Amino acid sequence: QSALTQPASVSGSPGQSIAISCTGTSSDVGAYNSVSWYQHHPGKAPKLMISEVYNRPSGVSNRFSGSKSGNTASLTISGLQAEDEADYFCSSYTSSSTYVFGTGTKVTVL
Amino acid sequence: QVQLVQSGAEVKKPGASVKVSCKASGYTFTDYYIHWVRQAPGQGLEWMGWIDPHTGGTNFAQKFQGGVTMTRDTSITTAYMELSSLSADDTAVYYCARSYRQFFDYWGQGTLLTVSP
Repeated sequence: QSALTQPASVSGSPGQSIAISCTGTSSDVGAYNSVSWYQHHPGKAPKLMISEVYNRPSGVSNRFSGSKSGNTASLTISGLQAEDEADYFCSSYTSSSTYVFGTGTKVTVL
Repeated sequence: QVQLVQSGAEVKKPGASVKVSCKASGYTFTDYYIHWVRQAPGQGLEWMGWIDPHTGGTNFAQKFQGGVTMTRDTSITTAYMELSSLSADDTAVYYCARSYRQFFDYWGQGTLLTVSP
């Protein structure tokens, strides 16, 4: 199972919006509405930001939103803030009853 | 509140084995799968497999089949991940995570494993 493809880095100025893509195949991202997104600060546990493509858990800012089209899912962060600087990973359930993570994207707030 | 607390950092020699624990609290242990995920230095997250605490059933990523064992002790609400025949490539932070439906809603704090001669 190959990792889902994400851009290595995305940057933006405070207040701007950025989008992170997550591309898989028809056996994972395209097959199920089970894409989730995690924020990861080095040395800390990953934090769930989006579940099942677009659901935002309680306590997560509404500046974070998710979507999916075909084999590609996306995480959008609007009104970018300094605290959003972190690594972001997508994940998907697969047709083999396993899971796969994305390659990860480093978000930098300029 | 839901908590997953992992055992401490480990240093092992190549060829050895390691067993990492994940103590769950704040919910019914047998109602949710426990997954193990690792992150090697400078790398992304890598899903290793899951255990169903209710049945003890497991499923692993193909890469880890045969080299990883996942078990649980329901009496102390603890899941374990044992990795054998360690090599330097196994140096990583290992996380346990609880899944609800098909996403990971709670994570442990991570356990650093260093494999070095």
